[in-house]
Amino acid sequence: LAKTTQPISMDSYEGQEVNITCSHNNIATNDYITWYQQFPSQGPRFIIQGYKTKVTNEVASLFIPADRKSSTLSLPRVSLSDTAVYYCLVGDWSGGFKTIFGAGTRLFVKA
Amino acid sequence: DGGITQSPKYLFRKEGQNVTLSCEQNLNHDAMYWYRQDPGQGLRLIYYSQIVNDFQKGDIAEGYSVSREKKESFPLTVTSAQKNPTAFYLCAIGGGLSNTGELFFGEGSRLTVL
Repeated sequence: LAKTTQPISMDSYEGQEVNITCSHNNIATNDYITWYQQFPSQGPRFIIQGYKTKVTNEVASLFIPADRKSSTLSLPRVSLSDTAVYYCLVGDWSGGFKTIFGAGTRLFVKA
Repeated sequence: DGGITQSPKYLFRKEGQNVTLSCEQNLNHDAMYWYRQDPGQGLRLIYYSQIVNDFQKGDIAEGYSVSREKKESFPLTVTSAQKNPTAFYLCAIGGGLSNTGELFFGEGSRLTVL
């Protein structure tokens, strides 16, 4: 399974756009990139998933360059409630499914 | 009410005792997982099961046991052999052959050894 590297923590202010980058140099051809959000004492929650180029949903955007060795989660106009840990995962979901969660990125949104 | 249910939410155990954490789902997913999370850390995979009557060890299976007798249920037993069992335990469903890999998590069970 591909290993991922993310910043340990980031600070932002309300209303700003936040971009969290994840490196996954050993990503395999069949791997997807998935981001999760976790609040304290809760299970992680799926945010977005992509394979290449750009994916957007009502919560975030995911940018993936052509070489797929990194990805960037973009959160538009964050609020205090976006303070959480964000995990980047890379994996092949077709079978023998295992997920490796790293330490994630702790995002602190300030007023 | 659909979804994934973990119980109990909080559990206290004396050293040397086995405890069993419950995980039930009614979303008809084949794959179920148990993770452990320590303070300030990411999740680590304990066991996973892709089908009834079959399960596989994850990265930190020592001191834990599971069963998968029914599709809906995947209980985790924390045995006395687990040296540091105090942690937050998360059950998840999803992934597998017919899914895109999205995992759905329960609310977690916090185990404290006294």
